[in-house]
Amino acid sequence: DVKVTQSSRYLVKRTGEKVFLECVQDMDHENMFWYRQDPGLGLRLIYFSYDVKMKEKGDIPEGYSVSREKKERFSLILESASTNQTSMYLCASSPQTQGTYGYTFGSGTRLTVV
Amino acid sequence: GEDVEQSLFLSVREGDSSVINCTYTDSSSTYLYWYKQEPGAGLQLLTYIFSNMDMKQDQRLTVLLNKKDKHLSLRIADTQTGDSAIYFCAESKYTDKLIFGTGTRLQVFP
Repeated sequence: DVKVTQSSRYLVKRTGEKVFLECVQDMDHENMFWYRQDPGLGLRLIYFSYDVKMKEKGDIPEGYSVSREKKERFSLILESASTNQTSMYLCASSPQTQGTYGYTFGSGTRLTVV
Repeated sequence: GEDVEQSLFLSVREGDSSVINCTYTDSSSTYLYWYKQEPGAGLQLLTYIFSNMDMKQDQRLTVLLNKKDKHLSLRIADTQTGDSAIYFCAESKYTDKLIFGTGTRLQVFP
């Protein structure tokens, strides 16, 4: 069964901490994505990557950075966590062209910043 | 523009049909998708439709596509309590990104 695995389901961090959210996929997908999900706002794209060491800003990149050193792993970094970054974070991956596959999502990480 | 719009809530009685609607603005979209998100979980691909199709049926699910009006719908027949979830539509062009709607929360009551 193909998978996108997010390292933590729940995280609680303090304001100002540096936070790492990890995502690993085992499908040899080229594309990987980080979204945040907030009630009434749907999914908002933070960053995405088409290949190793490549990254592109999404719609709301401020306060975040990413790292993709290996094809299977895409990390989201909150440089200095703030309370307005409390949210559900979803990682997804896809083949180079989604076609009939669309995206495969991880189970999400619910981050609370206190 | 790239806005994909959905109504936020839908409430139906168990056993009835549910119809979730979506409007999109990009007529060049090639694939359109429906995803389901159960509480506390990620999104799961339910079904998709290619842009040259009008309808696709998959067991209890029927997808209708009206390209002229840029309207996509998902009909769930014989809705069950296990269908309670948030449903997202998404569109794809010849790019590597999907554009998601805001999601419709379906509540099924007995």
